[in-house]
Amino acid sequence: AQSVTQLGSHVSVSEGALVLLRCNYSSSVPPYLFWYVQYPNQGLQLLLKYTTGATLVKGINGFEAEFKKSETSFHLTKPSAHMSDAAEYFCAVMRWGGKLIFGQGTELSVKP
Amino acid sequence: GAVVSQHPSRVICKSGTSVKIECRSLDFQATTMFWYRQFPKQSLMLMATSNEGSKATYEQGVEKDKFLINHASLTLSTLTVTSAHPEDSSFYICSYRPGTGDNEQFFGPGTRLTVL
Repeated sequence: AQSVTQLGSHVSVSEGALVLLRCNYSSSVPPYLFWYVQYPNQGLQLLLKYTTGATLVKGINGFEAEFKKSETSFHLTKPSAHMSDAAEYFCAVMRWGGKLIFGQGTELSVKP
Repeated sequence: GAVVSQHPSRVICKSGTSVKIECRSLDFQATTMFWYRQFPKQSLMLMATSNEGSKATYEQGVEKDKFLINHASLTLSTLTVTSAHPEDSSFYICSYRPGTGDNEQFFGPGTRLTVL
């Protein structure tokens, strides 16, 4: 069965600093992995996804993530945080039938 | 990306009443759609999946008679919370998965339900 664990329910960084949000997955089959962002009282927006091919995936708003099979990880990074990056971030793995299993979420705060 | 709308964006109702939430895909036809529930400060939990032309499949622990899902067409799905109670208060989000082979889901903006 697939599952996702996000380490750290809350991460705080200074504006301009590196953003690192951690995600580890468990899957018995090659995983399809996703990162979504959610702003308050809104739905989810896809940041990036990994299905096959290149393990370093670039997404919107300067975010990227690297699929590391040996570490069962799919950490999300951004070189320089912006105030507008403050939001809730969810890592997800796709199950059969297209269902998404979400991690617990990580709230990112950006300090001026 | 594709656009998905939900109506209403927020609703307040009295305990015991029923509430209908609409989810529409505005620019594509979707064969598969999902309904999620999100409690404050928590993750999204999948409630049910439906494919066009068939009944919804509910996740374990979700009462199908309480949460009625109708995948009325390829662009419209509705979730009806019947005999709502305060513990049903939550953020309900729908998503569509296009039947084009793409693995991505497109999410609606969510509906905040408060049951008094």
